[in-house]
Amino acid sequence: AQKITQTQPGMFVQEKEAVTLDCTYDTSDPSYGLFWYKQPSSGEMIFLIYQGSYDQQNATEGRYSLNFQKARKSANLVISASQLGDSAMYFCAMRDGRAGGTSYGKLTFGQGTILTVHP
Amino acid sequence: DGGITQSPKYLFRKEGQNVTLSCEQNLNHDAMYWYRQDPGQGLRLIYYSQIVNDFQKGDIAEGYSVSREKKESFPLTVTSAQKNPTAFYLCASSIVEGKVTEAFFGQGTRLTVV
Repeated sequence: AQKITQTQPGMFVQEKEAVTLDCTYDTSDPSYGLFWYKQPSSGEMIFLIYQGSYDQQNATEGRYSLNFQKARKSANLVISASQLGDSAMYFCAMRDGRAGGTSYGKLTFGQGTILTVHP
Repeated sequence: DGGITQSPKYLFRKEGQNVTLSCEQNLNHDAMYWYRQDPGQGLRLIYYSQIVNDFQKGDIAEGYSVSREKKESFPLTVTSAQKNPTAFYLCASSIVEGKVTEAFFGQGTRLTVV
């Protein structure tokens, strides 16, 4: 069974500094995808970044980058130049690969990390 | 515009009543999901479906039921057997074949038992 672990219930960062949010995962499937989502207080889920298990390079999207260490089964999110609007809950999620050989399986989320950006 | 629509946004239920939460998508996605979120907590999977007329239980399916009669629709019924239904419910959809992309989410339904 797949499992996602986010060990930081809350993180604080000063505006304009970088912050790393941790995520470790466990799966027996060699093919999987890792996702990060942002959830502001409004409750909507905003997709940030994706990393495939076979991708050779770490994913980047603007100020977001994913530090993917496959051997350690970690997929940490790095936010550079933090902004006040980055204050939100952040979720790491995983979708296992070709379950049953033909299609992707279910999407599992971690417990989340609340990020607070101070001015 | 393509997307996922959940309704209603807020829902109040009396104890002992069944209620149905609506989720409709026009993204032509095969997979649809229902998640429950309690305050300050992560998303827990209730049910998911990867094809019409088929669905699988997630981690917390007890007290919930779903149907998938149409590709576009995946309603969730919270039954009276669910002892603590007050929560935020999120519906999502995604592809199941080809290049993996993110799951798209609806705006959520806040269910309160009164």
